Amino acid sequence: GEDVEQSLFLSVREGDSSVINCTYTDSSSTYLYWYKQEPGAGLQLLTYIFSNMDMKQDQRLTVLLNKKDKHLSLRIADTQTGDSAIYFCAEMDRDDKIIFGKGTRLHILP
Amino acid sequence: DVKVTQSSRYLVKRTGEKVFLECVQDMDHENMFWYRQDPGLGLRLIYFSYDVKMKEKGDIPEGYSVSREKKERFSLILESASTNQTSMYLCASTTTGLAGVYEQYFGPGTRLTVT
Repeated sequence: GEDVEQSLFLSVREGDSSVINCTYTDSSSTYLYWYKQEPGAGLQLLTYIFSNMDMKQDQRLTVLLNKKDKHLSLRIADTQTGDSAIYFCAEMDRDDKIIFGKGTRLHILP
Repeated sequence: DVKVTQSSRYLVKRTGEKVFLECVQDMDHENMFWYRQDPGLGLRLIYFSYDVKMKEKGDIPEGYSVSREKKERFSLILESASTNQTSMYLCASTTTGLAGVYEQYFGPGTRLTVT
């Protein structure tokens, strides 16, 4: 079945860029998403990208998609303490279900 | 703003009890979902519903049932709670937003402990 893989933990110094990587298996995915979950809260849609795009920028966030390698990344520029959260990569499968990765915990060092 | 609410943030139940988790959305979304979230396992889909009185099994439906009598409300039922159902439960609803993007909105979660 479809699978979404991402590393479980990333540690970055405040002010540096964070890059969270994700790979997926379903080549028919139409939308790919990044969600953010802050402590004690539900998931919040952060950004998304269409499968026919290779880059999307939204303020400090840059999403890169390599459809050939089925690789998605989220870059957060100038990482701040408020960016500390779990980031979930997700894809929409052919049945319109959203398949999530296990989440990457982003830890900010002072 | 889309709002998805869940009836409880924290719940403690005993083994064998029947447990109801309620989810309500106020944006007239057709699709609603129940997930559970466990450390190291991420989000796993339990059940989802595309319309009133309609339900589909997700990846881990065993030990759960659902009810969708009204469009805005989707209930998750644990008929006889067991300790391995201790988890964070997240409800979500979806719409097709601008430019046809399929956006999913989550509730704050219910942390259920079964003792």
